[in-house]
Order: sequence, then C-alpha cells, then structure tokens
Amino acid sequence: EVQLVESGGVVVQPGGSLRLSCAASGFTFDDYTMHWVRQAPGKGLEWVSLISWDGGSTYYADSVKGRFTISRDNSKNSLYLQMNSLRTEDTALYYCAKSTLRFYYFDYWGQGTLVTVSS
Amino acid sequence: EIVMTQSPATLSVSPGERATLSCRASQSVSSNLAWYQQKPGQAPRLLIYGASTRATGIPARFSGSGSGTEFTLTISSLQSEDFAVYYCQQYNNWPPRFTFGPGTKVDIK
Repeated sequence: EVQLVESGGVVVQPGGSLRLSCAASGFTFDDYTMHWVRQAPGKGLEWVSLISWDGGSTYYADSVKGRFTISRDNSKNSLYLQMNSLRTEDTALYYCAKSTLRFYYFDYWGQGTLVTVSS
Repeated sequence: EIVMTQSPATLSVSPGERATLSCRASQSVSSNLAWYQQKPGQAPRLLIYGASTRATGIPARFSGSGSGTEFTLTISSLQSEDFAVYYCQQYNNWPPRFTFGPGTKVDIK
C-alpha cells in the first residue's frame, strides 16, 4: 500500500524558514517524480514544485521560485521542501504527491502538513 | 500559464440524480487532464486521468470526457458519499506549470 506521510508544519513568522518532510513507502520511491501541492485554508489546490526520480531536475511555481527548494533522499525514501523567506500567503496545507511514470497527474497524496505564517 | 475554469461553482443535486461538471482550459491541453474528488478534512483522490480513464477502484458511475479545451465529469447517479468538491487539473505543459481549476462543490439539494 502506497503511503505518503508529511511532517514539519508549524507556525512560523514572516521571513522565517521551515523544512517539510515526506516519508514514502509501499512503492519504489526512486522510480518516481515527486511533487508538493498546497492548499490555502478554504481555497483550491496549487502545484508548488516537482523533483525528478534522481533529483537531477527540479521545477517550481512562480509564486515560490527562489524561496523554496525541493530535494529528495532516495536512500531514505524521503522528499523534502525547504521553505525560506516565508510570507503570509504561504500559509497552507502542504501535500506530498506522487505522479506516474509517464504523466504528471497525482495518483497518491499524503494527508498534508499545515504551515501557518503569522506574526 | 494555462488557466483552468470550472462551472458551476456549486451544484445542488438530489441523491440518485445525474451530475455534470465542466472544466475549461485557456488553451489546448490535449487529453492531459485529471479529475480529483476532495471531501472535508481529506486529501484529494484521483478519479479520472487522460480525460476519460477511471483510476483504480473508482466506481463506474464516474465518467470523464472531452479533449482540447473542454472537459466534462459526469456522475451518473449520485450517492451520499459523492458529495464533495471536484477539481480538474491539466498536466500538459512543459516546463511544468501544472494548474488546477477552482473546484465545483457538489452538495445535497
């Protein structure tokens, strides 16, 4: 059974930093591109970032480019999101999501970890 | 960026009735479109990918159609567990700027 378990969400002040983690199990982690998708309270879904199976390619939404860094450790079946220069508009539930081998829709999602940026 | 729109924003349906949800892309996404269901307090669940292929374990009452810029999700006979928010997502462009629609809430009439 595929499982994605996020952690690391807390309350942080504007301008602060945070690292989210996602522990994956139930599939061959290093075969798959992985993503972060976020959802602000009461709002819709926003794709944030992806990382290729080997970590060699990363992409970001314009809203986070230059502030967030996605990474992975295939030896630990783990995905990470380093979030710097946080803004109030980054407040959201952050989901770790897996896409398929060929296409970038999300077939499995974690339950999310809540990041609140507030003074 | 490809902008996704969904209509209606809210759809009130009685159990057993048919529900038809629409999704439109600002430019062609071919058949690279997925639908997700999200219930309160839960993560999204994949329903449809490739515009019309049901994901594993999704009941046959869910069907998707369309290509290019116009897409439809149909729920043939609404069950109580189907009342939720539904999102469409395009995954056509590269470099990736995957975008979601704003969602359609299906609630009980």
